[in-house]
Amino acid sequence: KAGVTQTPRYLIKTRGQQVTLSCSPISGHRSVSWYQQTPGQGLQFLFEYFSETQRNKGNFPGRFSGRQFSNSRSEMNVSTLELGDSALYLCASSLEIGTPGEQYFGPGTRLTVT
Amino acid sequence: EDQVTQSPEALRLQEGESSSLNCSYTVSGLRGLFWYRQDPGKGPEFLFTLYSAGEEKEKERLKATLTKKESFLHITAPKPEDSATYLCAVQVDNYGQNFVFGPGTRLSVLP
Repeated sequence: KAGVTQTPRYLIKTRGQQVTLSCSPISGHRSVSWYQQTPGQGLQFLFEYFSETQRNKGNFPGRFSGRQFSNSRSEMNVSTLELGDSALYLCASSLEIGTPGEQYFGPGTRLTVT
Repeated sequence: EDQVTQSPEALRLQEGESSSLNCSYTVSGLRGLFWYRQDPGKGPEFLFTLYSAGEEKEKERLKATLTKKESFLHITAPKPEDSATYLCAVQVDNYGQNFVFGPGTRLSVLP
């Protein structure tokens, strides 16, 4: 059974640009969550999607947005990039919503903003 | 504000030297506490879920316990392959931020 996949794995962008990251969950999983991981702040919850609807949201500015498609694949978008957005962005999938114990993480996308 | 702290920040053990990692939490309403393992360059790997004080879970050399204010991850006779960062996370009741992670403990097991 294939795990969670994320593309691209590495990305370098310039301040002010926007970026879109993609996540394909494990087959059959309907919930997708996104996290930002930095050395200073650790792992922080961005948002969770279930059945194409955002169900939970963390404390991030509106520049961070996401969506989920009917096949449960998800994308997150960051507009007007800032240097502080440099981080590892992790996607996690689970069968149902609100079951973090059963979350399976992807390898992450390493975003560097210059 | 919901908070999760972990100690120590880093730990170096000799192979076979048992120890414990601590996760302390201050949350408004705990729905569950979770332990993950993260290897460099990879996403976190789920280890345990604990839901109520007094609960214990075991997996190979790892044992997780939960009290009303903290959780411990006990590592018995560790091996070099147990080297990783161990993350603790809590699921809380308040809408909008259900998942709060601790900063992690970086464990190194020397042969």
